[in-house]
Amino acid sequence: TQLLEQSPQFLSIQEGENLTVYCNSSSVFSSLQWYRQEPGEGPVLLVTVVTGGEVKKLKRLTFQFGDARKDSSLHITAAQPGDTGLYLCAGAKVGGGADGLTFGKGTHLIIQP
Amino acid sequence: DAGITQSPRHKVTETGTPVTLRCHQTENHRYMYWYRQDPGHGLRLIHYSYGVKDTDKGEVSDGYSVSRSKTEDFLLTLESATSSQTSVYFCAISQLQETQYFGPGTRLLVL
Repeated sequence: TQLLEQSPQFLSIQEGENLTVYCNSSSVFSSLQWYRQEPGEGPVLLVTVVTGGEVKKLKRLTFQFGDARKDSSLHITAAQPGDTGLYLCAGAKVGGGADGLTFGKGTHLIIQP
Repeated sequence: DAGITQSPRHKVTETGTPVTLRCHQTENHRYMYWYRQDPGHGLRLIHYSYGVKDTDKGEVSDGYSVSRSKTEDFLLTLESATSSQTSVYFCAISQLQETQYFGPGTRLLVL
């Protein structure tokens, strides 16, 4: 069974601070997705990373896929209250599989004004 | 945003009654999934479909059944609802087995 461990589980910081969220596994994934979920809504896709070592930027969010494609990180610069939410990482199995993605349990992020 | 709707959005029912949740997509995606989301457990896969009338079990399928009679609809049935099935249920769709797009969710309370 492939597992994705996210850390930290909970993070509360002040507006303007920087933070990094980690997603780790002992398994190799063909790609990794990051989602953000707000209360009462479904997860919304932020980014997909495919190549080992790949870095993608989405405004103040920087996503990196590990060289070995076993881990990923999400870095937020100058966090804003609008960044508050549950951040989920999800990995796609090498070789595919109709049963889809392996999800981490998420990081609950609160940005205080 | 992917065109995915779920109905109902909220449901309160009693133990022992059957409940059916509906997921409808307008994207013509091949793959459809049902998850439940609970505190401390994250998203757990209940059942999935890889085509019309083609379905299979996920991690937590006991007490649930599904049907997919056409591409756009994926139904989840709780055959006899129990309190342990109180949860938030999400439908997701995918075209390439990788990136998934989620619906808004259904909050189910079983009394």
